[in-house]
Amino acid sequence: GENVEQHPSTLSVQEGDSAVIKCTYSDSASNYFPWYKQELGKRPQLIIDIRSNVGEKKDQRIAVTLNKTAKHFSLHITETQPEDSAVYFCAATLNYGGSQGNLIFGKGTKLSVKP
Amino acid sequence: NAGVTQTPKFQVLKTGQSMTLQCAQDMNHEYMSWYRQDPGMGLRLIHYSVGAGITDQGEVPNGYNVSRSTTEDFPLRLLSAAPSQTSVYFCASSSPKRRSYEQYFGPGTRLTVT
Repeated sequence: GENVEQHPSTLSVQEGDSAVIKCTYSDSASNYFPWYKQELGKRPQLIIDIRSNVGEKKDQRIAVTLNKTAKHFSLHITETQPEDSAVYFCAATLNYGGSQGNLIFGKGTKLSVKP
Repeated sequence: NAGVTQTPKFQVLKTGQSMTLQCAQDMNHEYMSWYRQDPGMGLRLIHYSVGAGITDQGEVPNGYNVSRSTTEDFPLRLLSAAPSQTSVYFCASSSPKRRSYEQYFGPGTRLTVT
């Protein structure tokens, strides 16, 4: 089955700096890679996702890159702000046609942005 | 739309007690799932359902039962609570038939078993 490793487990940056979180997956068949943000005491919320036919996707200050050959994908946050402080989770699965694959999550990265 | 709702928000049980965590969604999503979240462990899938009448096991199903009699509701039953089931439980839903794979999470239930 799929296994997702996420690093680092904690990350502290100064406001305005960039933050990078990396994940590796084991199942080469996986084709969908979402990233979720979870603020303290709140539910996880999708912030960006990427499919295996795309190498990079950007949405304002956040971007995700995917290297299928190496089986790793990364989240990049630029110009970090204090409100970016949260726990970030990567996940991987195989979706096909109208079927939902079961998400396998990494263990999370606690990002702290210091003002 | 209320989205995904869960009740209760908090619950304390004694070892051996049973209870049901409720989950409902009003988005007509066919896929629903239950996760548990423990410190340092991420989110782990307990059970899932691809539609009414169909359920299956996830990564950590032992000690839990589910049923899916309607599209909207997906309750999670703890048969005989154990301290190892102390966790935060999240329900989620999505609509893969509409090619929308984003899972929408409920607010969570924090369960403590003493």
